[in-house]
Amino acid sequence: GESVGLHLPTLSVQEGDNSIINCAYSNSASDYFIWYKQESGKGPQFIIDIRSNMDKRQGQRVTVLLNKTVKHLSLQIAATQPGDSAVYFCAENFGNEKLTFGTGTRLTIIP
Amino acid sequence: DTAVSQTPKYLVTQMGNDKSIKCEQNLGHDTMYWYKQDSKKFLKIMFSYNNKELIINETVPNRFSPKSPDKAHLNLHINSLELGDSAVYFCASSLSLYGYTFGSGTRLTVV
Repeated sequence: GESVGLHLPTLSVQEGDNSIINCAYSNSASDYFIWYKQESGKGPQFIIDIRSNMDKRQGQRVTVLLNKTVKHLSLQIAATQPGDSAVYFCAENFGNEKLTFGTGTRLTIIP
Repeated sequence: DTAVSQTPKYLVTQMGNDKSIKCEQNLGHDTMYWYKQDSKKFLKIMFSYNNKELIINETVPNRFSPKSPDKAHLNLHINSLELGDSAVYFCASSLSLYGYTFGSGTRLTVV
């Protein structure tokens, strides 16, 4: 069935270290993936996206990796800062305009 | 200048009441959505409208009725509110899936 899952519900990282948030998806027909960041009391905010014809995409301090063989997506955040503390969601799309979201990972940056 | 704005931000009401949440986007997007986020942060799509036409209608009780007077507005009306309707409701918009932007949410509490 359709599902997007995350391996870890919480993650604590020392400030300045790199963090990796993982996501597994089950629909092999998914062709577009997005990572969102949600801070307390706010709506999800777009971080980075990737299409299924790519396996890596980089932004400012963030990198998304896509492994279609094992249906796995990851978000790497370099040199984490206190402002990176939030809940992170991956979302997938498979040909319509609906995004299916994962359950979210709470990232806490330890000063 | 807020891109996707929803009102009210907080809504506390009694069981059995009828309430509406309004959403407006100034991004020129052609598609608007309503998502529900439960207490465990899980985000699930409820409805989607493209140029005022309903295109996605997930399994949502028919007490929930979206209305799109024009492509910049998508309102959500809820009849006979129940305790289980308590959640955060997010409006979003996109241009054919790209540029998916969320509002800041409406926290609905049914007592």
